[in-house]
Amino acid sequence: RKEVEQDPGPFNVPEGATVAFNCTYSNSASQSFFWYRQDCRKEPKLLMSVYSSGNEDGRFTAQLNRASQYISLLIRDSKLSDSATYLCVVLANQAGTALIFGKGTTLSVSS
Amino acid sequence: DTGVSQNPRHKITKRGQNVTFRCDPISEHNRLYWYRQTLGQGPEFLTYFQNEAQLEKSRLLSDRFSAERPKGSFSTLEIQRTEQGDSAMYLCASSPNTGAFGDSNYGYTFGSGTRLTVV
Repeated sequence: RKEVEQDPGPFNVPEGATVAFNCTYSNSASQSFFWYRQDCRKEPKLLMSVYSSGNEDGRFTAQLNRASQYISLLIRDSKLSDSATYLCVVLANQAGTALIFGKGTTLSVSS
Repeated sequence: DTGVSQNPRHKITKRGQNVTFRCDPISEHNRLYWYRQTLGQGPEFLTYFQNEAQLEKSRLLSDRFSAERPKGSFSTLEIQRTEQGDSAMYLCASSPNTGAFGDSNYGYTFGSGTRLTVV
């Protein structure tokens, strides 16, 4: 089983749609969780961290369920500029420092 | 200092040749990471430095790969006897050494990467 697994995608949605991405992680000792965004042929950039209580940043909502080892990202009112690959990312444990990335889910928002 | 800088941006090499990439992290960042990303995959961890010490290496880092960070500033990643399977984007990232674990932001900044094509 891969350490971080994501919906395969791609997701093709119209502008204004709400879309949700799911992610599961295998290491129950994982400490921190993030969503990164990667545009085509660009480097990944931090979109938002994911807190146990759930957190929101504008149109983006992230949720974490430690018991199920499940992370989600909800995007409301999709914009054309949201088209990108969304990477689910986990910091394994305090003994390590490397972030572990999922394969990513591609979102395409059309007008 | 505008971010993490990587050179070259692109490298095409013949199989069997050696290549070296350079990464200049954000100047106040103690930690430096190398990742590799192939098409359709997320970045895969290769190795990590804290200052000049290489503290962690992935199983992906075969004997043909070596990374250095001699003065705790820039880092180089060398691939010897390149193979076609080495073709990928090599990403460098840096982060500060402040309360990283559990820090909600973690402070990872990636460079634009070096795209290697082995022909």
